[in-house]
Amino acid sequence: NAGVTQTPKFRILKIGQSMTLQCTQDMNHNYMYWYRQDPGMGLKLIYYSVGAGITDKGEVPNGYNVSRSTTEDFPLRLELAAPSQTSVYFCASSYSGAVETQYFGPGTRLLVL
Amino acid sequence: GQNIDQPTEMTATEGAIVQINCTYQTSGFNGLFWYQQHAGEAPTFLSYNVLDGLEEKGRFSSFLSRSKGYSYLLLKELQMKDSASYLCAVRGDYNTDKLIFGTGTRLQVFP
Repeated sequence: NAGVTQTPKFRILKIGQSMTLQCTQDMNHNYMYWYRQDPGMGLKLIYYSVGAGITDKGEVPNGYNVSRSTTEDFPLRLELAAPSQTSVYFCASSYSGAVETQYFGPGTRLLVL
Repeated sequence: GQNIDQPTEMTATEGAIVQINCTYQTSGFNGLFWYQQHAGEAPTFLSYNVLDGLEEKGRFSSFLSRSKGYSYLLLKELQMKDSASYLCAVRGDYNTDKLIFGTGTRLQVFP
């Protein structure tokens, strides 16, 4: 049982490039989330999903896209990378109604130059 | 609006007790969570309060007052490994489990 896994761990992008951050969970959780965390700050919700085929925007969705074709996977797409997207990205998952709420992946550190 | 406030930094001595406060103003409330985050790592769940009162878990306790929009995390018998950031988060919507996070309190424990 690997929990929540994220790839890559670290990436450097040039301005205008695109990339997909991968997130997979093997706990059969129906809810999944993408957050970004800027240095010294809390987590901001980018997008979330309550089940396969259902996604919705969080607090800071601009510049990102997501899809949820399976229960396990929830990739995050950056289409035109900007320096403001330099951050650490965390994927999380949870089971509806769970008290202990969200389990986090190890994070992807992204640097846009 | 949604607002969660925590002190930015705190320091304490090994073996001591420290209390980290969190105040919140959110459009809905369905639970308050505390997470611990060591530098360069993912947040890990510490505690959950949905009813008023104190929840104790070993060296860690968390308190909630819904009428005051207030919570605290109490850490006893501090150890060096407790040096980390502590994130307060509120679940406003039970149907989605979405969390609103504070900016976190960075705790440094000195010998």
